[in-house]
Parts: sequence; C-alpha cells; structure tokens
Amino acid sequence: DTAVSQTPKYLVTQMGNDKSIKCEQNLGHDTMYWYKQDSKKFLKIMFSYNNKELIINETVPNRFSPKSPDKAHLNLHINSLELGDSAVYFCASSRAGQGEAFFGQGTRLTVV
Amino acid sequence: QKEVEQDPGPLSVPEGAIVSLNCTYSNSAFQYFMWYRQYSRKGPELLMYTYSSGNKEDGRFTAQVDKSSKYISLFIRDSQPSDSATYLCAMTKTSGTYKYIFGTGTRLKVLA
Repeated sequence: DTAVSQTPKYLVTQMGNDKSIKCEQNLGHDTMYWYKQDSKKFLKIMFSYNNKELIINETVPNRFSPKSPDKAHLNLHINSLELGDSAVYFCASSRAGQGEAFFGQGTRLTVV
Repeated sequence: QKEVEQDPGPLSVPEGAIVSLNCTYSNSAFQYFMWYRQYSRKGPELLMYTYSSGNKEDGRFTAQVDKSSKYISLFIRDSQPSDSATYLCAMTKTSGTYKYIFGTGTRLKVLA
C-alpha cells in the first residue's frame, strides 16, 4: 500500500522532447513537493504546492511546469528537455508544509 | 555557506560498531529535524523525526538535537550490513515554509 507513488520509475528520452511525471499520495496530506536529486545525491526543492496552490517555485526554468489537479496529485511536465535535466526527481508530501515529509521512489530521467 | 552541512563520507565501520552521523545548520528558525535513509536507486525513507531539542530513540536508532549548537546527530547501535546506505538529514521551520532543506548525505558502509 504505497503512500507516495510516482510514475514512471525510469524515463529515457532525447533532447528537445517533452515528458511528464505523475505523483499521487494517499496519506491525506495537503502539501506536495517536487525535489531534484543530482548525481552527488543532493536533494534540492523545485516546487511545493499546498491545497493545489503553488507556494514555492525555487528558480526552476520555465520549461518545468507543475500541475496539481487535486490535493492528492502533483504532476511535473518538462518541455524541451536538455542534457542537464538528467537526474532523479522525487515527489514528496507532508501535512501543512511541516512535520515529516514522505517521499516517493523517484523517477530516474536520462536525457540523451 | 550552505544552510545545512553534512560530511559526505564515505564512512566504513565494522559490523556491530556504533555509528555517529552529524549535521550542522546555520538557520536558528529550524524546528523540525529528520533523518532519512536512502538505499541505492530508492527513495529517501524517513527514519527519525524530532521536533525542537532533545533525544528520541527508536530501536537501534537515536536522534539528538542540540539547538544551542545548531547540531543534530543520528546514532546507530549494533550496526548491520543492511544499514549500509546514504543517510540524509533534513530540517524545516515551524510553519508556513513548505520547504525541507537537506544535507548532502553521508554514505555509510557497514562491513560484515
């Protein structure tokens, strides 16, 4: 019974393509996040949403567009993919932007 | 200077040893402190969660927070080869932040 689930787990695509990653949580949380983990394992916040509203956009290029259709879902669409976008993207959720955060299993994006 | 500093390791210890992992931070507004364990190609898994200062114990794991020194620790007793993973500290403010700041992670190897 997965708490935070992301799809797909792996994504290999060519430069210039557009791709989406989906995330769903069944914890009843109202805050969801996208984090990017680089090759050195550093986790950096990209976006956070609270009750479907964008709260944080941490200087992420416009090519990245998150969308939250409801509190349990947060998707990430990436346009015109670049080599530097290759990383692992993690979705997470928490209660009211505080307390413990729970993470999904990650989407490993490789741009070739 | 990063908001959260963590020694990247790697840290190698023999099975059965007591492991001490640490993070320092600069922002005195942080109130929630977490430790995550991340196995290779998996998502961060929440291990310990503490609010404000003090100690918390869960099985072989003990988390300590010293807010006066801006220093947090995770102790692992009777370490096992299955504890080999990257350990990430994370922290956030009391409310309204919607952002968790992570350390760079410490890679731990427990040798059988």
